[in-house]
Amino acid sequence: EIVMTQSPATLSVSPGERATLSCRASHSITNNLAWYQQRPGQAPRLLIYGASTRATGIPARFSGRGSGTEFTLTISSLQSEDFAVYYCQQYNNWPPIFTFGPGTKVDIK
Amino acid sequence: QVQLVESGGGVVQPGRSLGLSCAASGFTFSSSTMHWVRQAPGKGLEWVAITSYDESIKNYADSVKGRFTISRDNSKNTLYLQMNSLRAEDTALYFCARGVGYSYVDYWGQGTLVTVSS
Repeated sequence: EIVMTQSPATLSVSPGERATLSCRASHSITNNLAWYQQRPGQAPRLLIYGASTRATGIPARFSGRGSGTEFTLTISSLQSEDFAVYYCQQYNNWPPIFTFGPGTKVDIK
Repeated sequence: QVQLVESGGGVVQPGRSLGLSCAASGFTFSSSTMHWVRQAPGKGLEWVAITSYDESIKNYADSVKGRFTISRDNSKNTLYLQMNSLRAEDTALYFCARGVGYSYVDYWGQGTLVTVSS
C-alpha cells in the first residue's frame, strides 16, 4: 500500500507571496501524481497531473515538480482565490487503487 | 460542458443500505472511467471505487470492499454506488468523478451527503 503524506498541514502566506507545498509517497510512484485544489464548500478541481503538467485552464502561477517519492506544488504569487486546501493523489497501482494525501491548507497570513 | 450530478444521499440507520446515482452529461460517458470519492465532514478526500467504461475492471478501497458496489448504465449515462451494511464512519459527502484512463480525475460533481446515524 502506498501512503501519501503532505507538509505542512497548514501554510500561512500573504497575498502576492510564494507558497511551496510538499507531498511524499512511501514508495516510488514515478511521475504518477496529481494535485487538486478544494475551496470551501466546493468540489475539488484538478490542477496538475503527471507531476508537472497543468490541467486545462490552470494559471501559470501553479507549477508542479518531482518524481519518485518527493513532489512539490508551487504557487508563485498567491491570489485571494488560491486560499484553499490542496491534495496530492497517486495513481501508480494496478489493479487501480488511488490514494490521496491528507491535504495542506493554505490560509491568509 | 461536463456535468456530473449526484443524488440519493440522506440519513440512514447503521446496518441499512442506500443507493447513490450520478447523472453524467457533456461528454462520452460510455467511454469514460468513473470513480466515487468521499469526504467525511471536515476531513480529507478518500477514494472509494472505480469502474472502467465497460465494467470489466472494478476496484474498491479496503474500507468499503464487500459492502459497496459500483456499477453503471451507459444507456442512461448514469453511475451508481450501492452501499450496504452502512456504518457511522461511512458518513460523508460522496463525489462522482470522471477519470482519465486509470489515472487522475479531471471532473467532479458537487457531491451528495450520506449520514449514517441511529
